[in-house]
Amino acid sequence: GAVVSQHPSWVICKSGTSVKIECRSLDFQATTMFWYRQFPKQSLMLMATSNEGSKATYEQGVEKDKFLINHASLTLSTLTVTSAHPEDSSFYICSASLHANRGYYEQYFGPGTRLTVT
Amino acid sequence: GESVGLHLPTLSVQEGDNSIINCAYSNSASDYFIWYKQESGKGPQFIIDIRSNMDKRQGQRVTVLLNKTVKHLSLQIAATQPGDSAVYFCAENNNNNDMRFGAGTRLTVKP
Repeated sequence: GAVVSQHPSWVICKSGTSVKIECRSLDFQATTMFWYRQFPKQSLMLMATSNEGSKATYEQGVEKDKFLINHASLTLSTLTVTSAHPEDSSFYICSASLHANRGYYEQYFGPGTRLTVT
Repeated sequence: GESVGLHLPTLSVQEGDNSIINCAYSNSASDYFIWYKQESGKGPQFIIDIRSNMDKRQGQRVTVLLNKTVKHLSLQIAATQPGDSAVYFCAENNNNNDMRFGAGTRLTVKP
């Protein structure tokens, strides 16, 4: 159980275009989803926290107008990279939060999306 | 600010040996810790977790130790196998649904 999927798994786009990445919790409802970015040989950097039906909360330094997040349902969140530039090339990973019976939030991660902007 | 960090960025071990990966945290309010394994090109996978009211927890071939006195967390992997080669991250959570990751340690298993 607790499977999270992402689509696409990889995408190549031209500079100036927009790209949408989907994150789905397949077998549970997640009120909260998280978006991370990971550059090569680095740790995961939290970009934003997305709650169903409300505006996302962005981390300091992350441009909300560039990285549009929509969390329309309890099983789907989308990240749109607008006017992409080569420096946006990265590995984008989402996670979905589940409040476990043990009383803590558990995060389950998607497989990631490799974005390459040419 | 508060952060989670790792002592060793890389670790190389012989197949069959035990591995120990360390992590230091600085937020004394953190009460839940998780170890994740990330293989190349994939998302992090949950390995094992531990709550702050425990100092040791064991799973299959893995053990997590928590020393709250010195704010130190470690992951022990017994009889390390080639399939254990990956980057390992520790993460901290203080029950506010906000998780922070450490820098990661790359484990390489030599045959």
